[in-house]
Amino acid sequence: AQRVTQPEKLLSVFKGAPVELKCNYSYSGSPELFWYVQYSRQRLQLLLRHISRESIKGFTADLNKGETSFHLKKPFAQEEDSAMYYCALYSGGYQKVTFGTGTKLQVIP
Amino acid sequence: NAGVMQNPRHLVRRRGQEARLRCSPMKGHSHVYWYRQLPEEGLKFMVYLQKENIIDESGMPKERFSAEFPKEGPSILRIQQVVRGDSAAYFCASSPPQSGNTIYFGEGSWLTVV
Repeated sequence: AQRVTQPEKLLSVFKGAPVELKCNYSYSGSPELFWYVQYSRQRLQLLLRHISRESIKGFTADLNKGETSFHLKKPFAQEEDSAMYYCALYSGGYQKVTFGTGTKLQVIP
Repeated sequence: NAGVMQNPRHLVRRRGQEARLRCSPMKGHSHVYWYRQLPEEGLKFMVYLQKENIIDESGMPKERFSAEFPKEGPSILRIQQVVRGDSAAYFCASSPPQSGNTIYFGEGSWLTVV
């Protein structure tokens, strides 16, 4: 069965500091991974997906199949990055999306 | 494309009443997911449905909760005899039938049980 683990419930960093939100997955097939962001009391929005290898709002994430990780990184945190971040795994064959429990990023001014 | 539409956005129910939350997926999407978010907590999977089928309900509480996605009309999440602990945000998401596609979320329905 697929599983997504986000070990940190809360991550606090100072403005301008680097950010790394951890995500590890467990899936026997070929994974498709995503990061979603949720600003206060709003809907979840897609931040990025590993297939497109794009950078959104300065965030990047690299799929490391050896370590089964898909950590989200940003070199310099900004206050507006404060939000809840969810890592998600799409197991295509079963067509189900599995979310991690989320990490709350708090950027301290 | 109007996006995933959820209603009501806010619902207040007294203990023991029923709550019905509706979700209209995006046009062309045949898969619907329901998630619950308790205050100050992360997103928890409840149920995954395709038209007229429940595919995975492993996250649904065994009692009082049910979900459907009929051939016509929106998906409904039904909570009978609500209790204070049911107060949460309920998010619906939808995706198209092809694999490798993103799921899109609605704005959520906030249920408050008083």
